[in-house]
Amino acid sequence: DAGITQSPRHKVTETGTPVTLRCHQTENHRYMYWYRQDPGHGLRLIHYSYGVKDTDKGEVSDGYSVSRSKTEDFLLTLESATSSQTSVYFCAIGGESGANVLTFGAGSRLTVL
Amino acid sequence: AQSVTQLDSQVPVFEEAPVELRCNYSSSVSVYLFWYVQYPNQGLQLLLKYLSGSTLVKGINGFEAEFNKSQTSFHLRKPSVHISDTAEYFCAVTPTSYDKVIFGPGTSLSVIP
Repeated sequence: DAGITQSPRHKVTETGTPVTLRCHQTENHRYMYWYRQDPGHGLRLIHYSYGVKDTDKGEVSDGYSVSRSKTEDFLLTLESATSSQTSVYFCAIGGESGANVLTFGAGSRLTVL
Repeated sequence: AQSVTQLDSQVPVFEEAPVELRCNYSSSVSVYLFWYVQYPNQGLQLLLKYLSGSTLVKGINGFEAEFNKSQTSFHLRKPSVHISDTAEYFCAVTPTSYDKVIFGPGTSLSVIP
């Protein structure tokens, strides 16, 4: 997926445990995004970053935190996972080609039991 | 803040028939508009974008969309669909000043042989 990888691709965890999803890019793009995809809701923005250590909240940020210590890595953390956070999580990069066209990763499927 | 509405959650259409997927947006500032496609079990990829200029934009796979500022719409069309067009289609909006990219809930296009 054009220099963007997500890990893990699949994860099953239990309620109350912490979970970290990683997004890694090799494109040197300024903007990075985390979305979650749920049936009937499309993609909803969780958090995004516009530079190293610069992040902001999206539409559904409660229960999630992010960090970006390097241009290439954007981490999404669920401090204490809940069943409502069962979803497919997509990372995207953008901002370099004008008009913020996004390139997406392959997605991470998280199941919280 | 921006928002996107996709009026049809599911659109079934016979092969070789025309199709229109509707998208309306709301924004108090100038925006760029996009359509993304997600094939089964894959990430999203850009179908087409409107930045400025001609209101009719052409994308990949024979799709086109028309920007109508007065109606705040950006409907996607294809004159003759193929089985391979079966996918989820997402309309998205972002301010021209670069910021959050907001997606609509998606329209599931099913092409019937």
